[in-house]
Amino acid sequence: GQQLNQSPQSMFIQEGEDVSMNCTSSSIFNTWLWYKQDPGEGPVLLIALYKAGELTSNGRLTAQFGITRKDSFLNISASIPSDVGIYFCAGLNYGGSQGNLIFGKGTKLSVKP
Amino acid sequence: DTEVTQTPKHLVMGMTNKKSLKCEQHMGHRAMYWYKQKAKKPPELMFVYSYEKLSINESVPSRFSPECPNSSLLNLHLHALQPEDSALYLCASSGIGYTFGSGTRLTVV
Repeated sequence: GQQLNQSPQSMFIQEGEDVSMNCTSSSIFNTWLWYKQDPGEGPVLLIALYKAGELTSNGRLTAQFGITRKDSFLNISASIPSDVGIYFCAGLNYGGSQGNLIFGKGTKLSVKP
Repeated sequence: DTEVTQTPKHLVMGMTNKKSLKCEQHMGHRAMYWYKQKAKKPPELMFVYSYEKLSINESVPSRFSPECPNSSLLNLHLHALQPEDSALYLCASSGIGYTFGSGTRLTVV
């Protein structure tokens, strides 16, 4: 089945540093989504990408949909302690009203004040 | 309203109990989903409802029984669960956007 390779698995950084994580796939997706999940909570959508080559920002977050439609990256600038959590990429192909999400294994981010 | 609401937040049940998880959305999304998530793992798809009809069942044991009473509601009925079924159960809906609820933390004792 489809799989996503997300890296790195974990990051331990100093507050104020920039962060970069990425996902690659052997299959094409027509949508890439980036989620953040805090312990005991559901994933919260950070950025959605719908077009190959698209570069989208949301505050300190920037994500890009790779031109081949097989990869995406997420950057976080000037990290702060509340950025701590697990970040998941997810590839999505809609079929009619429904879409089957394929998740990466997650990147655990720790931020040292 | 851009939320998916799940109840209860936490649930502890015995292996002989029957309980239900509930999910509600008012975004007009026509697809709704149940996912199961174990610690430190990504969510795993269980069921997909499209236009209130079950369209995908990812080989989930029959002790989990989904129900979609209408386009805004999704239930997951639980019966005779095992301790290994303890997990975070997430509901999601999709249309414009793909939104998750905050989940139900289920513990089977």
